[in-house]
Amino acid sequence: QQQVKQSPQSLIVQKGGIPIINCAYENTAFDYFPWYQQFPGKGPALLIAIRPDVSEKKEGRFTISFNKSAKQFSLHIMDSQPGDSATYFCAASMGGSEKLVFGKGTKLTVNP
Amino acid sequence: KAGVTQTPRYLIKTRGQQVTLSCSPISGHRSVSWYQQTPGQGLQFLFEYFSETQRNKGNFPGRFSGRQFSNSRSEMNVSTLELGDSALYLCASSLSVVSSEQYFGPGTRLTVT
Repeated sequence: QQQVKQSPQSLIVQKGGIPIINCAYENTAFDYFPWYQQFPGKGPALLIAIRPDVSEKKEGRFTISFNKSAKQFSLHIMDSQPGDSATYFCAASMGGSEKLVFGKGTKLTVNP
Repeated sequence: KAGVTQTPRYLIKTRGQQVTLSCSPISGHRSVSWYQQTPGQGLQFLFEYFSETQRNKGNFPGRFSGRQFSNSRSEMNVSTLELGDSALYLCASSLSVVSSEQYFGPGTRLTVT
């Protein structure tokens, strides 16, 4: 019930492509869903986050789509660039706690 | 604003020793959480502190402990180190405890030999 399942494990796209990373959860008490980007040797950086009352949120080239009934959410990266090559993590938490439950991560490679 | 800072950045210890890691949150942030990151287990929650009180603890043995000071700075301690404790230890801070945005530090890379 505490798990967040993330797929795919790795993803390779060409520059300009739109990589899509998917996450699924079981615990309906989760009410906050952030995405983090991590480069080697660095801590995770908050990219974008969504709450269940919204079906889509866009910030720059990053979009989260949220499907409450399916208990799934996904990250889309528009016009991907080689600089987007990193590991992406989805996460979830529930009200009253800062405890984040993370997916296993997706290693994205954007080829020039 | 300065980000989350963690010291030291790298640490090498021997099995059986103990270690203390330090975290300074973003100015004004009162909530601090700790995570362990390993290639096999990914990112796992250790503890969460707010106003010097531990609000939540992850599924780790009692060898892992932490505390938060009145200035919101936090420390975590691992006693009787084991080889499996080798990991990147990450600290995150946020303004409050209501599922808000958490910002991570660069981490402390602990190697146990």
